[in-house]
Amino acid sequence: DADVTQTPRNRITKTGKRIMLECSQTKGHDRMYWYRQDPGLGLRLIYYSFDVKDINKGEISDGYSVSRQAQAKFSLSLESAIPNQTALYFCATSDTGTGGNYGYTFGSGTRLTVV
Amino acid sequence: GENVEQHPSTLSVQEGDSAVIKCTYSDSASNYFPWYKQELGKRPQLIIDIRSNVGEKKDQRIAVTLNKTAKHFSLHITETQPEDSAVYFCAASIGFGGQFYFGTGTSLTVIP
Repeated sequence: DADVTQTPRNRITKTGKRIMLECSQTKGHDRMYWYRQDPGLGLRLIYYSFDVKDINKGEISDGYSVSRQAQAKFSLSLESAIPNQTALYFCATSDTGTGGNYGYTFGSGTRLTVV
Repeated sequence: GENVEQHPSTLSVQEGDSAVIKCTYSDSASNYFPWYKQELGKRPQLIIDIRSNVGEKKDQRIAVTLNKTAKHFSLHITETQPEDSAVYFCAASIGFGGQFYFGTGTSLTVIP
């Protein structure tokens, strides 16, 4: 389902370059998240936002920044990419829970390689 | 913050057998526990969840049990099929609709 869309799907970039990963959603959810996935480490939270004016750091925010341009859009930036930022990045959204549905909806992921 | 540990990291079972994946959490305030299945090259998808006011929940061949006293919860898959092969993640959340803390994943292989 295309309700949480990430672009690009794959990206190779050079060390030191600035790169932006974008996420847009049509689910109408207020809450959005950026996670990275590494083999053996699971999913680790980078940043999250509970509404347009709310931005919070996750457990591994160093080297990353985010922008919540609208309810439907949440972008992740790597200001100066380094090789250990090579990973699979997922955007996710969630409802506030009032409707009884608390789970995340994930995007399809962006595979980022920093060389 | 919350710490979620997941075991085993890999699991192989014969088709038709049962599979059990266990997770522990550290914060007694956690009250929502979802399980996600991630097939190769795809996004994680919610397969079942449980709230802290419930001890067990079933959905066809899948069940989740929760022991709040011991702070652990488990995923049980019965009559496994090859299409159950995937990586499974547990998670814990303090409150509903908020930040999830994920386990490190279990790679399940069902051998035909």
